[in-house]
Amino acid sequence: SQQGEEDPQALSIQEGENATMNCSYKTSINNLQWYRQNSGRGLVHLILIRSNEREKHSGRLRVTLDTSKKSSSLLITASRAADTASYFCATDHGNNRLAFGKGNQVVVIP
Amino acid sequence: DGGITQSPKYLFRKEGQNVTLSCEQNLNHDAMYWYRQDPGQGLRLIYYSQIVNDFQKGDIAEGYSVSREKKESFPLTVTSAQKNPTAFYLCASRSGQGAAGTEAFFGQGTRLTVV
Repeated sequence: SQQGEEDPQALSIQEGENATMNCSYKTSINNLQWYRQNSGRGLVHLILIRSNEREKHSGRLRVTLDTSKKSSSLLITASRAADTASYFCATDHGNNRLAFGKGNQVVVIP
Repeated sequence: DGGITQSPKYLFRKEGQNVTLSCEQNLNHDAMYWYRQDPGQGLRLIYYSQIVNDFQKGDIAEGYSVSREKKESFPLTVTSAQKNPTAFYLCASRSGQGAAGTEAFFGQGTRLTVV
């Protein structure tokens, strides 16, 4: 099945630092989405970037998409302890399926 | 309040039993999804439904069944044929189809444990 794959899978940073996660996929997409999950909870949508977009911002989040390399990155700037969570990318290939990667666990140390 | 509700939050199943997980949404979304989450394996798609009375198998449908009799409801039954059902189950919904693509809204999950 087609799905995003994130790397690195675990990241530990100091509060105030930036956190970067990458996601790769194998076949063409309509859009790519990033989600956040706090431990034991449901996922919350963060940002959606369409295949014809290259960069998108939302608050302290910045997402890039490189369709030639079939990859995306999520940057969280000036991280806070409250950013501690797992982050997932999901690929939408236009068939109404939404395929998720394995996720990145981010720990922000106060 | 609009949202997606899963129940129960915790569920215990004895060997050989069927159990049904509930998922209800009042967002008027056409598409609904069931995912299974195991530690270190991310989310895997079990079943999805794009419209009432229609659903498709995902990547790990064996041992599971669903129905979509109403737009608001998409219950998942974990049957005795599912040999390793202990996991965290997540239901999601979204509007839009195909190229439009929209964000998914998730319930808070049901943690199923076999005892």
